[in-house]
Amino acid sequence: GENVGLHLPTLSVQEGDNSIINCAYSNSASDYFIWYKQESGKGPQFIIDIRSNMDKRQGQRVTVLLNKTVKHLSLQIAATQPGDSAVYFCAVRVTGANNLFFGTGTRLTVIP
Amino acid sequence: DAGVIQSPRHEVTEMGQEVTLRCKPISGHNSLFWYRQTMMRGLELLIYFNNNVPIDDSGMPEDRFSAKMPNASFSTLKIQPSEPRDSAVYFCASSRRGDTEAFFGQGTRLTVV
Repeated sequence: GENVGLHLPTLSVQEGDNSIINCAYSNSASDYFIWYKQESGKGPQFIIDIRSNMDKRQGQRVTVLLNKTVKHLSLQIAATQPGDSAVYFCAVRVTGANNLFFGTGTRLTVIP
Repeated sequence: DAGVIQSPRHEVTEMGQEVTLRCKPISGHNSLFWYRQTMMRGLELLIYFNNNVPIDDSGMPEDRFSAKMPNASFSTLKIQPSEPRDSAVYFCASSRRGDTEAFFGQGTRLTVV
């Protein structure tokens, strides 16, 4: 299995600042990692993913960093906007399994 | 593609009644997942299917819960009899295969009174 935790349940940032959301996992056999965004009343929406053979991946305004040594990944959002306000989940897959283990989520609030 | 489609969006039922939640995965996706989301426990995997075959149902809370996938385009999650503690948002998700991202439906908010 996998235990996925988040360092902070809530995060507030000023509009335009960068946001960093962290996630820790426990199983060294985890090989695939995803960040999801969930807005109120909606299902989780895929943001970005990274596989264990990489340590960094960039998307539009988002970057995921993976540190397999300490079993930690982070999501960085550049120039945070009000539309980024949501709950962010990291999800982890263990090698050989198909299912994803989800963290408890971090609620990001962007202050205009 | 319309994405993963779940119905109903909201369900209110009385304790003891049977509840059936429905899901249509994205066409061409081979894996289907049922999750339950509550404030206390977050997102929990209940069961998942690969090519319509249940692979892991260890997350199903108890025998009152059952899931089926009679074909590649339809799955149901049934609770019989329902209890107030089953109140939650139930999500269905699908992925092209097990090692790619899962796409979620809008969820069914179940309230058992």
